[in-house]
Amino acid sequence: QKEVEQDPGPLSVPEGAIVSLNCTYSNSAFQYFMWYRQYSRKGPELLMYTYSSGNKEDGRFTAQVDKSSKYISLFIRDSQPSDSATYLCAMSDSGGSNYKLTFGKGTLLTVNP
Amino acid sequence: DSGVTQTPKHLITATGQRVTLRCSPRSGDLSVYWYQQSLDQGLQFLIQYYNGEERAKGNILERFSAQQFPDLHSELNLSSLELGDSALYFCASSGGQALTEAFFGQGTRLTVV
Repeated sequence: QKEVEQDPGPLSVPEGAIVSLNCTYSNSAFQYFMWYRQYSRKGPELLMYTYSSGNKEDGRFTAQVDKSSKYISLFIRDSQPSDSATYLCAMSDSGGSNYKLTFGKGTLLTVNP
Repeated sequence: DSGVTQTPKHLITATGQRVTLRCSPRSGDLSVYWYQQSLDQGLQFLIQYYNGEERAKGNILERFSAQQFPDLHSELNLSSLELGDSALYFCASSGGQALTEAFFGQGTRLTVV
């Protein structure tokens, strides 16, 4: 079993839809959770960062972490064509100078005008 | 622009050859991470350096090596290249001891023919 599982999609939605992206993980030591957005031929760009369980909101984006279920989600409200990208979840069991991210394979999202 | 600079952007080389990828971290960032991204494996952590010292090792082959120089730039050396080494190689950097986020460069696309 992979440490981090992410549905690769592809996911296609109309503009304005609510998008839900999810990852599950097996390592209970993970405590730092991130979502990255990667446009084609570009490097991953950090969207959201959450420590431990709970919700975090930033504009149209909401990240949720449920450590008891080992499940994290990213919700995108009022999705826009510019949100079309691959979304990667990432996790780490430690911070500071021993930081190492384990990534999901990414979900390809297309938002149609 | 993340502030992380990678050169070259593209590299085409033959099997058996050796190449060097270069990364300049964001100003002030002490940690540099190297990742390999392929279609089937996703983003795989290779190695991390912190202020010139190796801090963590991931799925890095023995044919690959890296180092971080006193000016904090880093180089990833890939030798005895095989077709399967064709991938995107990303460098990321983060600041100091209290890491909250890592910023990625645009990547080097390596094609081995």
